[in-house]
Amino acid sequence: ETGVTQTPRHLVMGMTNKKSLKCEQHLGHNAMYWYKQSAKKPLELMFVYSLEERVENNSVPSRFSPECPNSSHLFLHLHTLQPEDSALYLCASSQEVGNYGYTFGSGTRLTVV
Amino acid sequence: QKEVEQNSGPLSVPEGAIASLNCTYSDRGSQSFFWYRQYSGKSPELIMSIYSNGDKEDGRFTAQLNKASQYVSLLIRDSQPSDSATYLCAVIKAAGNKLTFGGGTRVLVKP
Repeated sequence: ETGVTQTPRHLVMGMTNKKSLKCEQHLGHNAMYWYKQSAKKPLELMFVYSLEERVENNSVPSRFSPECPNSSHLFLHLHTLQPEDSALYLCASSQEVGNYGYTFGSGTRLTVV
Repeated sequence: QKEVEQNSGPLSVPEGAIASLNCTYSDRGSQSFFWYRQYSGKSPELIMSIYSNGDKEDGRFTAQLNKASQYVSLLIRDSQPSDSATYLCAVIKAAGNKLTFGGGTRVLVKP
């Protein structure tokens, strides 16, 4: 596979569930990101990782927990979410953190019921 | 003031015409500027990047940057129905870790 792959594509979960989103990049990039895209709102940065080290946490609630075991994989662990957390969650990668364009995955459409 | 501002549209353009999209940003020290295209239900796709003042052309797309006025624009020549999408402007601040996006401009190209 090439590019940035996200699984699952769609997820419906209850407010008491625990689930994880997975992202894998095959581009040899050193930086990975989680973004949230809600209807009628700009893309919101959630987390930035550079070489498995978190370099930015953009005031995200603790019910979202990222994990980056290596530079190719990124997870977003979800627990006790709220209905307003329903959104498209996008993973992206770039060569390095800084002045580089990002490559996005296809996203996970999350619905919290 | 929003960090990156775009007119939400929709911008309706006849097929074959030029679509002109504008974006303004608040951080004067911003260094890198990008345009992404996002089709409905799909993820953003990078179409242009620009780093210095002036014009940059790539096929039917031209990006224009004016750092003094803090705006960046995208021109789409010979617009096609397949260009109908939301176009996202994104900016990296000086020494920044992150790409900050505008809300996007929806473009509709009518045959």
